[in-house]
Amino acid sequence: AAGVIQSPRHLIKEKRETATLKCYPIPRHDTVYWYQQGPGQDPQFLISFYEKMQSDKGSIPDRFSAQQFSDYHSELNMSSLELGDSALYFCASSGQMNYNEQFFGPGTRLTVL
Amino acid sequence: KNEVEQSPQNLTAQEGEFITINCSYSVGISALHWLQQHPGGGIVSLFMLSSGKKKHGRLIATINIQEKHSSLHITASHPRDSAVYICAVRRSNYQLIWGAGTKLIIKP
Repeated sequence: AAGVIQSPRHLIKEKRETATLKCYPIPRHDTVYWYQQGPGQDPQFLISFYEKMQSDKGSIPDRFSAQQFSDYHSELNMSSLELGDSALYFCASSGQMNYNEQFFGPGTRLTVL
Repeated sequence: KNEVEQSPQNLTAQEGEFITINCSYSVGISALHWLQQHPGGGIVSLFMLSSGKKKHGRLIATINIQEKHSSLHITASHPRDSAVYICAVRRSNYQLIWGAGTKLIIKP
């Protein structure tokens, strides 16, 4: 069965650069969630989208933005990267069958040097 | 106080032992997830519970809504079960609130 796809899997950037992370949800899932997990920390909810509209917002910095496209994939754009942005970024998706159940992607590991 | 508390934080056991990881939460939830995170970072959803008990292979998860408590059990543990196990609760807005995780090491 198709799973949530994230790309890239690994990304290395310099401070003050920009990064774009992509998430492709499971087919027919209309909701996408983004989480950030710093080294040794709990995952933190960043933002979610339902039917291409932002549905909830968590601890997402102003330097970050995200959107969901017509094919339901989502992109997390990160600008003016800081060392503290180094983390594992997870995307999860859910759909009409059961919005309570989120399926997680493998994550993108971002390293800011 | 964290909204989701897990215990123990670390657990080392011998292969074959019965493992129990506990999760307590203090907020109203619509569901509770047990997740497994391996050293590479990838997260696998093991169970989603809103009541009762679920079993999958050697894994069993229970939840007591009245007591706001859930347990994850692993029978006949194996070294490949070594991972971080995370309890996460879902609020009505579908956000997940994560516990700190339990690092499990199963020695052969």
